[in-house]
Amino acid sequence: EVQLVQSGAEVKKPGESLKISCKGSGYSFTSYWIGWVRQMPGKGLEWMGIIYPGDSDTRYSPSFQGQVTISADKSISTAYLQWSSLKASDTAMYYCARHGLGTDYWGQGTLVTVSS
Amino acid sequence: EIVMTQSPATLSVSPGERATLSCRASQSISSNFAWYQQKPGQAPRLLIYGASTRATGIPARFSGSGSGTEFTLTISTLQSEDFAVYYCQHYSNWPWTFGQGTQVDIK
Repeated sequence: EVQLVQSGAEVKKPGESLKISCKGSGYSFTSYWIGWVRQMPGKGLEWMGIIYPGDSDTRYSPSFQGQVTISADKSISTAYLQWSSLKASDTAMYYCARHGLGTDYWGQGTLVTVSS
Repeated sequence: EIVMTQSPATLSVSPGERATLSCRASQSISSNFAWYQQKPGQAPRLLIYGASTRATGIPARFSGSGSGTEFTLTISTLQSEDFAVYYCQHYSNWPWTFGQGTQVDIK
């Protein structure tokens, strides 16, 4: 069974750094694109970026280029999303998702709250 | 960046009726297109990929059509569990983008 399990909710202050994770299981982690989707409170879905763990090819949406870093450790089948300096506007639910035939498997989401 | 535009923003439908949702791409995306359903507090769920292929476990009352720039999701007979937000998305070239969503609610 394919599963994506994300790390737990985070509460941070503006300016702090953060790295959240997404562990894949039940499939060949290196053979599928895996990405991150942001959903701000009460809003729609936005692709942030994707990575191909097989060769670490990484792409960012223009809105998120330079704002976050996406990485993967194929030895432990885990993808990451990190911020070096959080802002209040980064408060959102973040989903990881695998792209196979469409974006077919999703993590449960990680709620990130940034507040002073 | 390809812009995906969904219509209507909100669709009010009675249980048992048909619902038709539309999505337009700002340029041709062939059939590199998907529909998702999202219920409150849940992650999105893939309904349709390749514009018209139902994902595993998706009931036959959901059907997708279209190619190029115009796409449609039809829910033939709405069930209570189908009231949700529906998003379209292209994956033709990066960056992939979603539409803004269509809220299907009870009339």
